[in-house]
Amino acid sequence: DAKTTQPPSMDCAEGRAANLPCNHSTISGNEYVYWYRQIHSQGPQYIIHGLKNNETNEMASLIITEDRKSSTLILPHATLRDTAVYYCIVRVALQSGSARQLTFGSGTQLTVLP
Amino acid sequence: DVKVTQSSRYLVKRTGEKVFLECVQDMDHENMFWYRQDPGLGLRLIYFSYDVKMKEKGDIPEGYSVSREKKERFSLILESASTNQTSMYLCASKASVRDSGDTIYFGEGSWLTVV
Repeated sequence: DAKTTQPPSMDCAEGRAANLPCNHSTISGNEYVYWYRQIHSQGPQYIIHGLKNNETNEMASLIITEDRKSSTLILPHATLRDTAVYYCIVRVALQSGSARQLTFGSGTQLTVLP
Repeated sequence: DVKVTQSSRYLVKRTGEKVFLECVQDMDHENMFWYRQDPGLGLRLIYFSYDVKMKEKGDIPEGYSVSREKKERFSLILESASTNQTSMYLCASKASVRDSGDTIYFGEGSWLTVV
């Protein structure tokens, strides 16, 4: 799996958009970009993933650069409950039912300020 | 929405006790995982299962066993709990790949303290 680089921490004002960057310059063509978050004392929560195109769901938007070497997770209207550690992961999608582990890096601690 | 439910949120057990951690998922996923998460060590895979009655060791299987008798249920067993097994335990599940990646869904976690 490709290595990712994220800033260790960011602050965001409540109600504003939170933009979390991730560099993955060694990503290969068949690797997806995944974002998870972990609120203190809870299990990681899946947010969104993408391959090439930008993606949007009810939680967030994912913008992937054309060269796929970096991406940005956007929380459009951050709330206090979005305070969490956000993990960017790149990995190959499996072609069979075999299981593989998921490796989380250090992530970005996002603090939403009132 | 996918739901992964861990039966116990907080447990305190004595050294030497047998401990069962239960996990149930409601999305008919083939693959299920048990991790432990410790400060500074991140997520470490204990065991995983890709089908009923199938199991494979992860990175740190020593002191643990698992059971997958039904597709929706994956149990982690500590045969004789020790203090170094104090940790947060996370169950996860995922479907086999169809067409858009292999998203893994986690439970809320079980905080186990062994005294």
